[in-house]
Amino acid sequence: GAVVSQHPSRVICKSGTSVKIECRSLDFQATTMFWYRQFPKKSLMLMATSNEGSKATYEQGVEKDKFLINHASLTLSTLTVTSAHPEDSSFYICSAGSGTSYEQYFGPGTRLTVT
Amino acid sequence: QKEVEQNSGPLSVPEGAIASLNCTYSDRVSQSFFWYRQYSGKSPELIMSIYSNGDKEDGRFTAQLNKASQYVSLLIRDSQPSDSATYLCAVLKAAGNKLTFGGGTRVLVKP
Repeated sequence: GAVVSQHPSRVICKSGTSVKIECRSLDFQATTMFWYRQFPKKSLMLMATSNEGSKATYEQGVEKDKFLINHASLTLSTLTVTSAHPEDSSFYICSAGSGTSYEQYFGPGTRLTVT
Repeated sequence: QKEVEQNSGPLSVPEGAIASLNCTYSDRVSQSFFWYRQYSGKSPELIMSIYSNGDKEDGRFTAQLNKASQYVSLLIRDSQPSDSATYLCAVLKAAGNKLTFGGGTRVLVKP
């Protein structure tokens, strides 16, 4: 399957600061990437769909000014959590589709802890 | 009614037995179906995709799709302790490319 990487894998930040998470498709070009968050023992919650060269589409209830998404190239999408608060602590996971099928491949995830 | 429903489990299976997982979906026009495995603390890993009615086999895994009844299942043969994980059913709607996930079924394979 296709390979998707995320960086960093784990980050601890102080309340009020911003954190950027990178998602890269390593062996294919991804016109669309997806950002999810997952709380402990809960299922994945889609936050937004990231489209290369255009604005992201956010799911209902997700603040676009708080979770900034940029998809500047066919292999890179970034999620910036601005003015982070403890309630933003979660597991953030990106996924990408290869475009040749409907399958989506997930990055390894980023565990964010806001203190 | 949730769009994609799964029994949360845990489904306890003795080693070597068959684990049977079920998933139902509400959107009748859904076309693509996926099973992901997620180990604790890790991200989901794609196991199987299925698009047509019937069975699809890949190693010890068999996915079954019945669009008329709106369910998709996953069988794990010769279950191993390493199969202990949460299995997520995901459905791709006909419109758009967003996956809708079920809540997952936790599987425990006991040696």
